[in-house]
Amino acid sequence: EAQVTQNPRYLITVTGKKLTVTCSQNMNHEYMSWYRQDPGLGLRQIYYSMNVEVTDKGDVPEGYKVSRKEKRNFPLILESPSPNQTSLYFCASSLWGGDTDTQYFGPGTRLTVL
Amino acid sequence: GNSVTQMEGPVTLSEEAFLTINCTYTATGYPSLFWYVQYPGEGLQLLLKATKADDKGSNKGFEATYRKETTSFHLEKGSVQVSDSAVYFCALSDRGGSNYKLTFGKGTLLTVNP
Repeated sequence: EAQVTQNPRYLITVTGKKLTVTCSQNMNHEYMSWYRQDPGLGLRQIYYSMNVEVTDKGDVPEGYKVSRKEKRNFPLILESPSPNQTSLYFCASSLWGGDTDTQYFGPGTRLTVL
Repeated sequence: GNSVTQMEGPVTLSEEAFLTINCTYTATGYPSLFWYVQYPGEGLQLLLKATKADDKGSNKGFEATYRKETTSFHLEKGSVQVSDSAVYFCALSDRGGSNYKLTFGKGTLLTVNP
């Protein structure tokens, strides 16, 4: 089954404790991206990647890091989480180039930083 | 920059009622337009899309027409069901450069009562 998976689905942590949220897709997509969803703000892009070893900042990158060492994986790293990073996070992927620009989303990771 | 404005919710309807959720956009270039749906506790699923002016996207009884002259992409369904209760997001993608970033509206919560 074609899908985007994220782990963990739920996480409660404390300020300053480094964490990683994993994202994996099995559709051989080149493009991957992270969004955060906050009430009243909709979804905003954090980082994106056009392919292996190619990443760039989205609209709200402060406090986050990413890496793309393999095509299927795109982890989101919070090196020193703060309470304002409490949010619902979504990973997305799509093909690169051609006519398709449909993005497929993972199930989300609900993060609470105390 | 790009932006999407959709009608504020929540929207509450009775089963079999007609649904309209308004969406207007501001964008440079020629964006693709999308409606995504988020069911309770789940990630975002693509509901329908349109890639050029006058295209009509349709799926599961929902429809939306890309209107360039009014910069709109309103979502409609003739007869809603309880199972349509969800949050609906209007979004655009202008594929600017290397980023397939989706710009989302803030979402509209729909509740359908039996």
